[in-house]
Amino acid sequence: DAGVIQSPRHEVTEMGQEVTLRCKPISGHDYLFWYRQTMMRGLELLIYFNNNVPIDDSGMPEDRFSAKMPNASFSTLKIQPSEPRDSAVYFCASSSPGVLAKNIQYFGAGTRLSVL
Amino acid sequence: AQSVAQPEDQVNVAEGNPLTVKCTYSVSGNPYLFWYVQYPNRGLQFLLKYITGDNLVKGSYGFEAEFNKSQTSFHLKKPSALVSDSALYFCAVNFGNEKLTFGTGTRLTIIP
Repeated sequence: DAGVIQSPRHEVTEMGQEVTLRCKPISGHDYLFWYRQTMMRGLELLIYFNNNVPIDDSGMPEDRFSAKMPNASFSTLKIQPSEPRDSAVYFCASSSPGVLAKNIQYFGAGTRLSVL
Repeated sequence: AQSVAQPEDQVNVAEGNPLTVKCTYSVSGNPYLFWYVQYPNRGLQFLLKYITGDNLVKGSYGFEAEFNKSQTSFHLKKPSALVSDSALYFCAVNFGNEKLTFGTGTRLTIIP
């Protein structure tokens, strides 16, 4: 398996523009997580899905952020409108069911977002 | 609330020496504890986990961690450090659901 795939790797946009980040989890994994990493706040869980259903979105900073998972192999994180303070590295991770695999999350390489 | 603390932002160790990266946790039950590593421009990678059983857990790349319930600690250790171990290390805790709560990270630098 190619692992968790995120696109794009880098995104530079201007304040006010819509940004869409994409994630393809590992096949067979039924949990998908979106994280944000910054120097100031560290690694923050934004939202996670189980079997394509959002389970906990308490980490989503505000209404400008939304996430969807239309099927088991694809998820998006959208920011509209974007602001400079959204600049960060956004990670997607997935994990599989089962006791032995529990909480072993596989991370993508991340999307580095810069909002000017 | 469940949480983990990594008291050291930075740890420097000479190559070949033993290394320790510290982690403590707050408890309101029986925690599941994890260590992840992040290399530059990469996502986090799983190293090892403790759920139950032996207090000494062995993981990838020669790392191990010792669970100490009385001290609520889960320190990461390696007997002999390599330059390639230089990275950012995260401790994480879970209490039965699928969410992981990560610490703030410790940057480990191995000096040749």
